[in-house]
Amino acid sequence: QKEVEQNSGPLSVPEGAIASLNCTYSDRGSQSFFWYRQYSGKSPELIMSIYSNGDKEDGRFTAQLNKASQYVSLLIRDSQPSDSATYLCAVKGYSTLTFGKGTMLLVSP
Amino acid sequence: EPEVTQTPSHQVTQMGQEVILRCVPISNHLYFYWYRQILGQKVEFLVSFYNNEISEKSEIFDDQFSVERPDGSNFTLKIRSTKLEDSAMYFCASSAPSDRFYNEQFFGPGTRLTVL
Repeated sequence: QKEVEQNSGPLSVPEGAIASLNCTYSDRGSQSFFWYRQYSGKSPELIMSIYSNGDKEDGRFTAQLNKASQYVSLLIRDSQPSDSATYLCAVKGYSTLTFGKGTMLLVSP
Repeated sequence: EPEVTQTPSHQVTQMGQEVILRCVPISNHLYFYWYRQILGQKVEFLVSFYNNEISEKSEIFDDQFSVERPDGSNFTLKIRSTKLEDSAMYFCASSAPSDRFYNEQFFGPGTRLTVL
């Protein structure tokens, strides 16, 4: 059974701070990793994908991957109240995505 | 920007009835998926579909479920005899015809299914 683990939170940060979200996965053979943002009552929105060890930056977002430790993280710089949402880590298998339960992020003004 | 669309946004049905959830994937995408999310729980994979056949399905996707691509644009999920525990948000997703191993999946807005 493939597992994706995330701290459910909430993670509370003040506006302008860096938010750090973490995820671990069980399937050592996994190759593709994704971060989705989900606002309450809405669908998952893809914000980052990462396939290689190291960092990948896109605007205020940085995804980090360490396959040896089976660990994926997402950093959000200059956090804004509009970033308040649940962040879902997803790991791709043959054709499916296995999701974690998500970490709720609260950014206070 | 192209997006996945789903109809209806909310479906209420009686237990034992059949429902069909509809999706229009992004136009140049060739891989299609259904996921569901029970309230307060994680997003769960149901089925993937490529080249007019099921690629992969989960244990949830039992004989009461079926999928179809009836024409060049629609992708449907049919639940033959709904149960109370089928109440959930159902998300359709699609991905582009690139390297299948890495491709990104884009989700529609979802259909909220309520079984009474």
